[in-house]
Amino acid sequence: DSGVTQTPKHLITATGQRVTLRCSPRSGDLSVYWYQQSLDQGLQFLIHYYNGEERAKGNILERFSAQQFPDLHSELNLSSLELGDSALYFCASNRIRGAGELFFGEGSRLTVL
Amino acid sequence: QQQVKQSPQSLIVQKGGISIINCAYENTAFDYFPWYQQFPGKGPALLIAIRPDVSEKKEGRFTISFNKSAKQFSLHIMDSQPGDSATYFCAARDNFNKFYFGSGTKLNVKP
Repeated sequence: DSGVTQTPKHLITATGQRVTLRCSPRSGDLSVYWYQQSLDQGLQFLIHYYNGEERAKGNILERFSAQQFPDLHSELNLSSLELGDSALYFCASNRIRGAGELFFGEGSRLTVL
Repeated sequence: QQQVKQSPQSLIVQKGGISIINCAYENTAFDYFPWYQQFPGKGPALLIAIRPDVSEKKEGRFTISFNKSAKQFSLHIMDSQPGDSATYFCAARDNFNKFYFGSGTKLNVKP
């Protein structure tokens, strides 16, 4: 158990819909990262938050947005969903500049029909 | 532009053999190079990591070899076991604490 909690584990929805994925980082971790992993693909970096502030953006679509709340949990919002958005979405956390290890949650599997 | 290039995409090794996965990078500002192991349906988990001031790090059957001048690093799994069958990702961290991952290597260790 990495200590990073992601909900929901599985989500099935239709094209055009909107979903919210939630992540609770490890206790004490201020950084939250979101990654997308499509079938048999690598980890595509989406966005990084540190203590509530956006720090870096990767290949995140304009239909996607995220935020980190004062209690440090983070949400990834995906809207106007398309079939190609079906993927595993991972959240990871770490202490900035610490040991460097990223701790990953078990992911949220999104299926868009 | 992929910051970290990983090969091979897939690898089949017999039990007891050596598995070798290679990665290359361009950004000399990278300061931390971890390897992650991912089992189906699970999130990636840190396996072993190295900093650029060290040329080799060994933990049990897992060894990272690091060549700073060539900007390459590799993971060696000695005495590979069926339980090692997983997808392996190399990664590199920049000085903004942003991680770049390789495309992954699917390892299958045959009994």
